[in-house]
Amino acid sequence: GNSVTQMEGPVTLSEEAFLTINCTYTATGYPSLFWYVQYPGEGLQLLLKATKADDKGSNKGFEATYRKETTSFHLEKGSVQVSDSAVYFCALRVNNFNKFYFGSGTKLNVKP
Amino acid sequence: EAQVTQNPRYLITVTGKKLTVTCSQNMNHEYMSWYRQDPGLGLRQIYYSMNVEVTDKGDVPEGYKVSRKEKRNFPLILESPSPNQTSLYFCASSLKGDSPGYGYTFGSGTRLTVV
Repeated sequence: GNSVTQMEGPVTLSEEAFLTINCTYTATGYPSLFWYVQYPGEGLQLLLKATKADDKGSNKGFEATYRKETTSFHLEKGSVQVSDSAVYFCALRVNNFNKFYFGSGTKLNVKP
Repeated sequence: EAQVTQNPRYLITVTGKKLTVTCSQNMNHEYMSWYRQDPGLGLRQIYYSMNVEVTDKGDVPEGYKVSRKEKRNFPLILESPSPNQTSLYFCASSLKGDSPGYGYTFGSGTRLTVV
């Protein structure tokens, strides 16, 4: 079947620290992979995506590389800011495109 | 501005009193979906719609109804709300297209409390 597994949070970092949030997936087809971010009190926003193996999605200093061999799509940022504090969701969508599969979300707290 | 609009943002109601949460998108998206978000459970899909008059159950459809009479609107109906439907609800839409690379656009959410 299709599923997404994310590392459990919360993740607490100091400002300017390096961030990694792990995401692995299983998929019956050839999925597209996404990271969404949810700031407090808001809906989810698309952060970045990758549609084929070895693609790197990037946005706002965040990056994730589609690794087919390890079925992973880990989110990274070199230097986090307090404003990055949010919940991050990994997701996939497969070729029958009638459904997204979301991970359970990872809360990131960045302290000044 | 391209967006998904949900109303209301906050709603407190009593058990058994029918309610409707509206969702409207202005992007001509074919695909629309409702999710609920609960602590520790992430996002769970309630219903989705591939196009007008085409709807199907998601993972947690019990106690909910939807309709898709127009492309832009996808209301969520709770005929007889119960306290276990207290949650944060999100509507989302997407192009269907031929590629799964299209992402969702989400509404801002509706926080529902059933007492």
